[in-house]
Amino acid sequence: QVQLQESGPGLVKPSETLSLTCTVSGGSINSYYWTWIRQPPGKGLEWIGQIYYTGSTNYNPSLKSRVTISVDTSKNQFSLKLSSVTAADTAVYYCARGRGANRYWGQGTLVTVSS
Amino acid sequence: DIQMTQSPSSLSASVGDRVTITCQASQDITKYLNWYQQKLGKAPKLLIYDASNLETGVPSKFSGSGSGTDFTFTISSLQPEDVATYYCQQYDSLPRTFGPGTKVDVK
Repeated sequence: QVQLQESGPGLVKPSETLSLTCTVSGGSINSYYWTWIRQPPGKGLEWIGQIYYTGSTNYNPSLKSRVTISVDTSKNQFSLKLSSVTAADTAVYYCARGRGANRYWGQGTLVTVSS
Repeated sequence: DIQMTQSPSSLSASVGDRVTITCQASQDITKYLNWYQQKLGKAPKLLIYDASNLETGVPSKFSGSGSGTDFTFTISSLQPEDVATYYCQQYDSLPRTFGPGTKVDVK
């Protein structure tokens, strides 16, 4: 059974860079698309971007200038970096597998932006 | 970006009721629509993909239909464990976009 687990700091200061890693277990990261999605407290879901295991990426234009998604196939991990964060970036961040339908999701990790 | 709308934003129904949620896309997305269920404090769960295909292991009381810009999600007989927020999502084009969600409660 494929499992995904997000990890990273739960608190980030304004203007700094948010960094999260998603570790994939129970299956290979190869041959799939991997996605980051976020959800501000009490709000809906926002698609951040996706990466193919080869490293090809697609980002949401609303975040594109601040987002970098990368993959490390040797570690079966992919990562998210979001720069110049503000309070508006406070959210639960989910990693998921899939290009269209996201069948497997991590449990999510709350990242709070605050000084 | 393709805008997704859902109605209603919330509903409360009795156990055993048939519940229907609609989702509309701002442009033609053919069949490229998912439905997710999100229970409180949990990650979303894929229920329906390609507008009408039931994900493996999902009870047949859930169903989806539609194409183009107008889609429908139905719970044939509402149960207490179906209390959740339901989201539609298009994957016809990038960026993927979600509807605002429909919160379903039991009376």
